[in-house]
This record gives sequence, C-alpha cells and structure tokens, in this order.
Amino acid sequence: SQQGEEDPQALSIQEGENATMNCSYKTSINNLQWYRQNSGRGLVHLILIRSNEREKHSGRLRVTLDTSKKSSSLLITASRAADTASYFCATDIYLNIQGAQKLVFGQGTRLTINP
Amino acid sequence: DGGITQSPKYLFRKEGQNVTLSCEQNLNHDAMYWYRQDPGQGLRLIYYSQIVNDFQKGDIAEGYSVSREKKESFPLTVTSAQKNPTAFYLCASTTQGRGTDTQYFGPGTRLTVL
Repeated sequence: SQQGEEDPQALSIQEGENATMNCSYKTSINNLQWYRQNSGRGLVHLILIRSNEREKHSGRLRVTLDTSKKSSSLLITASRAADTASYFCATDIYLNIQGAQKLVFGQGTRLTINP
Repeated sequence: DGGITQSPKYLFRKEGQNVTLSCEQNLNHDAMYWYRQDPGQGLRLIYYSQIVNDFQKGDIAEGYSVSREKKESFPLTVTSAQKNPTAFYLCASTTQGRGTDTQYFGPGTRLTVL
C-alpha cells in the first residue's frame, strides 16, 4: 500500500500564481522529503523536513508538516513555466538495524504552469 | 562533474533475454538503490546496497539481480523471469543510507520489451 499519497494528481495554473500540493502518509515518520521530476528524467531533491519541524523554506518553496494529521504540503510561490514537472513526497522507513533507509514515494502531482 | 550516470538511456529487449543496466556514481556514497517507475506512478524499490559486497531485496526484487563489487558501481540485471519489465529504471545513491540522507538520482534508463 502507498505510504505517501499526493493530492491533487494533476494541477494546472497560470504563471505567477502559487501552487500547492499535498501529501498524506500512513505511518509515523522520521523525515519527509519532496522531490521533483522533469518528464523522462531522474528525480531531484528539493527539501527535507524532519518530524520535529513544522515548516521549512527554501527559495520559492515552503513545506509544512503536520504529524498529527500525517500530512505535508509543498507551496511554490510565484510559479514559473520552468516549474512544470511532477512532484513527489517521500517518507523514510528503516530497513534494518544498521539504519538503512528506504524512501517510499507517492504517485506524484503533475504540475503544469501555463505561460 | 560529480554525480550518478546510468546507461543506456534507452534499452530494448526481446522476450527471454537478460539485460543489464549500468549505474555508476563518483560521489563516494556508500548506499545505492534501484527503483522502478511505471507510467503515472511513484517509485518502487527493487534492490539496495548499503556497502560493497552486500545488497538486499526491496519490495519488487523478483526477476531482478544485482551486484556490488565496487563502491562506485551497482548494475541491475533484468532477467527473463521478470514478466513485465517495460518501465523506467532509476538508480540512486546516498551518503550512508540513513533517514536524513538525500537521495541523488541518475537520469534513468527506459527499458522496452519488444
């Protein structure tokens, strides 16, 4: 079963508007990460938020985390055409006692910025 | 340039053939991962390796095999036992494979079965 699920599955907005994507997860986490994927390419890490943090900023990105609701949101302000991509949240699950980590990805939100 | 490289970018396989996807990193990372991505889906973990000469099955290891003879290299073989191999394959690495590590991804290999 999916650990992280993004909402909406697709989002289309005009350039300059803000884009908000949400992620819900099922089990307790240590960290939550957001990644971006351009079509047919690898994923690029955007931001990591720890379970004891509530909000984090990086440039035009703002991530919030609500562990009581098991949800996170990614806000992209003043969107640009170059922001068009799929965005994935990923939560970490420990694989073994040595601390190996697995990231469990949601299905992603496809964001389209219209010029 | 530091990073992760995957080759080839596109790969075509006939039914019954084994194929090997290459993944190389020069980031001096200990941990490496292989993921499979199907259209409109997230990533699913195939295999991971935390250290040289050691690797573990992920969620969908059946029909796949790996080796980790060198720190920089983590090749994935898609065997004929994998019944539905057409997908986008992504390799990633992290410093140690800990929970706070960022995963760095290669550009991916798109495998198509003819």
